[in-house]
Amino acid sequence: AQTVTQSQPEMSVQEAETVTLSCTYDTSESDYYLFWYKQPPSRQMILVIRQEAYKQQNATENRFSVNFQKAAKSFSLKISDSQLGDAAMYFCALNNYGQNFVFGPGTRLSVLP
Amino acid sequence: GAGVSQSPSNKVTEKGKDVELRCDPISGHTALYWYRQSLGQGLEFLIYFQGNSAPDKSGLPSDRFSAERTGGSVSTLTIQRTQQEDSAVYLCASSRRTATNEKLFFGSGTQLSVL
Repeated sequence: AQTVTQSQPEMSVQEAETVTLSCTYDTSESDYYLFWYKQPPSRQMILVIRQEAYKQQNATENRFSVNFQKAAKSFSLKISDSQLGDAAMYFCALNNYGQNFVFGPGTRLSVLP
Repeated sequence: GAGVSQSPSNKVTEKGKDVELRCDPISGHTALYWYRQSLGQGLEFLIYFQGNSAPDKSGLPSDRFSAERTGGSVSTLTIQRTQQEDSAVYLCASSRRTATNEKLFFGSGTQLSVL
């Protein structure tokens, strides 16, 4: 069975500072994809970043980057230069080939002005 | 359409009534997913459709839940004899196909409240 764990129910960060959200997962597959999705108060989830398990290089998207540690099954999200608009729920997700997406319980991020 | 559309955005019903939730995916997307999100919780998988293949119903919590997808496009999630524990946000998502790296596009969900 695949599982995704996010051990931080809530996090806060000062505007313009950096914050890291944690995610660990479990799967028996060797090839898979990992995702971070953001859910603002509007409820519509938006893809933030994705990582292919067979790539060693960590994915980056502007102010968002990941630290992917395959052996440790860890996939953390770093948000640099935090902005007020980054405040949202963040979900880590895992997908094996053709299988369903498995989501973690989420981390609520607050950005303090 | 430009995005995934779900209706209604909010639904209040009485315990024991049946409800239908609608999802209109992005045109051309062959994969469609339904998830349930209880207050403050993560996403619980319910069902997904891929093209003309038999749907994966493994996440449906009971036989009161069913879903169909007509013509490979619009999907309806039906909950019969609703219970208070069915209260949640029901999210629909679509993607071009059920490939590992495909990005999911989500609707804004239907907030279901069972009184």
